[in-house]
Amino acid sequence: DQQVKQNSPSLSVQEGRISILNCDYTNSMFDYFLWYKKYPAEGPTFLISISSIKDKNEDGRFTVFLNKSAKHLSLHIVPSQPGDSAVYFCAASADGATNKLIFGTGTLLAVQP
Amino acid sequence: EPEVTQTPSHQVTQMGQEVILRCVPISNHLYFYWYRQILGQKVEFLVSFYNNEISEKSEIFDDQFSVERPDGSNFTLKIRSTKLEDSAMYFCASSGQGRVSYEQYFGPGTRLTVT
Repeated sequence: DQQVKQNSPSLSVQEGRISILNCDYTNSMFDYFLWYKKYPAEGPTFLISISSIKDKNEDGRFTVFLNKSAKHLSLHIVPSQPGDSAVYFCAASADGATNKLIFGTGTLLAVQP
Repeated sequence: EPEVTQTPSHQVTQMGQEVILRCVPISNHLYFYWYRQILGQKVEFLVSFYNNEISEKSEIFDDQFSVERPDGSNFTLKIRSTKLEDSAMYFCASSGQGRVSYEQYFGPGTRLTVT
């Protein structure tokens, strides 16, 4: 059951450059998408979200883009900082009473100083 | 800043024993969740809880699992008879009302080791 996929297990970027993390989904019922950041031995930390009625949401250095026709979303981090090094999870939710999140497998981002 | 807390941080138990994992969600949140992450795998939904009842549960959440909100602040996950395959990180999460109900805030997790 791979409703949310992150095809890149890892990404390495130089400090100050842009990091682009990608996520694809298959379930057209998903209407809310979120990105979480996770350090080892800690819980996921909410970063940014986007509703399916939008195609872009920006919060400081983080921007999420949604392409509904392609069932694809991406997280842009500009500029990347060494402290951004972590695993990034894409998650999706379908409208309903429960708001359960379906997570992707994660992408390990390494920002090199 | 308000946060979700979980205790214990690490629990070691023998197969067949009961465990209770505890969580204190963010105080004004109304939706509560448990997720788990087996080592090397994705974070998986277990159960959601709203208005003092389960609103959805996954296939993983069988009769060995139960959740409770025994008072106004705690939210617990009980595993009645643990199996080796229950070894995982268990995360509690909570979310508010309305549009932000999708935005779930996670606790630091409890590492459960079943031997």
